Amino acid sequence: DAGVIQSPRHEVTEMGQEVTLRCKPISGHDYLFWYRQTMMRGLELLIYFNNNVPIDDSGMPEDRFSAKMPNASFSTLKIQPSEPRDSAVYFCASSFGEGNTEAFFGQGTRLTVV
Amino acid sequence: EDQVTQSPEALRLQEGESSSLNCSYTVSGLRGLFWYRQDPGKGPEFLFTLYSAGEEKEKERLKATLTKKESFLHITAPKPEDSATYLCAVQADRDDKIIFGKGTRLHILP
Repeated sequence: DAGVIQSPRHEVTEMGQEVTLRCKPISGHDYLFWYRQTMMRGLELLIYFNNNVPIDDSGMPEDRFSAKMPNASFSTLKIQPSEPRDSAVYFCASSFGEGNTEAFFGQGTRLTVV
Repeated sequence: EDQVTQSPEALRLQEGESSSLNCSYTVSGLRGLFWYRQDPGKGPEFLFTLYSAGEEKEKERLKATLTKKESFLHITAPKPEDSATYLCAVQADRDDKIIFGKGTRLHILP
């Protein structure tokens, strides 16, 4: 398996524009997590899905952020409108099964909003 | 609220100089504690899962231990290629969230 695949790897956009980040989890995994990483705050959990259903979105910072998982092999994180403070590295991770199973991470998308 | 605190924030060691990284956690019912390694420009890479106090796991020069309040990642005779950020994370037994600490940046000097 190729692992968790994220695209794009880098994104530079202007303030006010819509940004869409994409993630393909590992085949067969039923949990998908979106994280944001900054120097100041570290890795923050934004939202996670189980079997394509959003379970907890309490980490989503504002209504400008939304996430979807239309099927088991694809998820998106959208920011509209984007702001400079959204600049960060966004990671997607997936895992299998309930209980004590580790999450596998993608390479991340580095977002810069100017 | 679940919380993970890692110390020190950064650590510089000479090659071969053993040391330990600390992860203190507060969680209402621990389901599992995870250690990850993150290299610059990459996603975190899974190292270990610990489930209960007293448990230990080893991989090459790394050994992870767990008590009821903290976990240690012991690095024995490190090499420059062990330089990375080491992240600790916890999962509570009431949900499936995985909460991370801010990490320890480890630099091994040759």
